[in-house]
Amino acid sequence: KNEVEQSPQNLTAQEGEFITINCSYSVGISALHWLQQHPGGGIVSLFMLSSGKKKHGRLIATINIQEKHSSLHITASHPRDSAVYICAVDAGNQFYFGTGTSLTVIP
Amino acid sequence: NAGVTQTPKFQVLKTGQSMTLQCAQDMNHNSMYWYRQDPGMGLRLIYYSASEGTTDKGEVPNGYNVSRLNKREFSLRLESAAPSQTSVYFCASRATSGIGEQYFGPGTRLTVT
Repeated sequence: KNEVEQSPQNLTAQEGEFITINCSYSVGISALHWLQQHPGGGIVSLFMLSSGKKKHGRLIATINIQEKHSSLHITASHPRDSAVYICAVDAGNQFYFGTGTSLTVIP
Repeated sequence: NAGVTQTPKFQVLKTGQSMTLQCAQDMNHNSMYWYRQDPGMGLRLIYYSASEGTTDKGEVPNGYNVSRLNKREFSLRLESAAPSQTSVYFCASRATSGIGEQYFGPGTRLTVT
């Protein structure tokens, strides 16, 4: 069973395009996290959300608790945004992770 | 602050060999976690320690043991490595179980032949 589903699995965009990555989950959560994993392998946290919307630079994350759905948007995408984006839900003692969306932004 | 550190970065083992992956954090966090990451699958929890002195099994604990040596350090031991344990292993920590974001180590790439 997959507690967290992400789509799409792979995404290729031209530089400057608006990008959306979606995440749906099936468990009760206290928060939802968006993570970024670069080709070198390191994982960093982008956002932690329990309601509404957060913005950091060109990145925007939204969550709808009732629908158990979150989106990560990247405005004016850039090649340096190329990475794997992972949705993770915080179910208290444990996190559950999506399989990730591999984003490639072409100059 | 170094954050979360892991050693080694890379390791090749033969089937049946044992090894310990080390993890340390310098953020005074209570909770620590071990995950494995395999192609096509999300990160999966092996073991976690909600606080010093406690450890609990996660989703995929078979073949592994852990030790929460002190508040800073959380080690993962493979007693008899198997090819199915070839993976990238990440350690993570957070301030308190159930609250806040996780901070990840750089990962250990393990190959078992």
